[in-house]
Amino acid sequence: QKEVEQDPGPLSVPEGAIVSLNCTYSNSAFQYFMWYRQYSRKGPELLMYTYSSGNKEDGRLTAQVDKSSKYISLFIRDSQPSDSATYLCAIPFTGNQFYFGTGTSLTVIP
Amino acid sequence: SQTIHQWPATLVQPVGSPLSLECTVEGTSNPNLYWYRQAAGRGLQLLFYSVGIGQISSEVPQNLSASRPQDRQFILSSKKLLLSDSGFYLCAWSRPSTDTQYFGPGTRLTVL
Repeated sequence: QKEVEQDPGPLSVPEGAIVSLNCTYSNSAFQYFMWYRQYSRKGPELLMYTYSSGNKEDGRLTAQVDKSSKYISLFIRDSQPSDSATYLCAIPFTGNQFYFGTGTSLTVIP
Repeated sequence: SQTIHQWPATLVQPVGSPLSLECTVEGTSNPNLYWYRQAAGRGLQLLFYSVGIGQISSEVPQNLSASRPQDRQFILSSKKLLLSDSGFYLCAWSRPSTDTQYFGPGTRLTVL
């Protein structure tokens, strides 16, 4: 079993839809969870950083952690064509190293 | 503010040729530095990381090597490229003892 698993998609939604991006993880000891956005042919950029369980909001984005299910989600409200990108979940572990999901490709259709 | 640079942005090299990719970070001191390779559908693969000048940890045995000649400079090298070395190479940095990594713009390498 991989440490982090992410549905690769692709995911295609109409503009204005609510998007749900998800990852599952294997180790209940993980405490920190991150989401990166990567536009085509660019480096990933950090979107959200959450600790432990619960929700964190930032504008149209909500990051959610369910530690009982070992499940993390990123919700995008009122999705825009500019949200079209690949979204990566990331979990740090020892020594500043990360487990990364394989990424979910999202296309928002105008 | 901190900035991370990578060059070149794109590179096409023949099999068997050498490689040198450079990464520099501005606006911070003593960063942790990382090299990743990203292949389609396979996520980010950590190749090397460094916590200081001359300190390199290798995660994957391969024909690549890394060096850190200066505090904010990280170089990825190969003496002889293989077809399988093609991919998108990303450099990243983080502050010591923190969990957040920041990525550079990447270098797309095609080995023919």
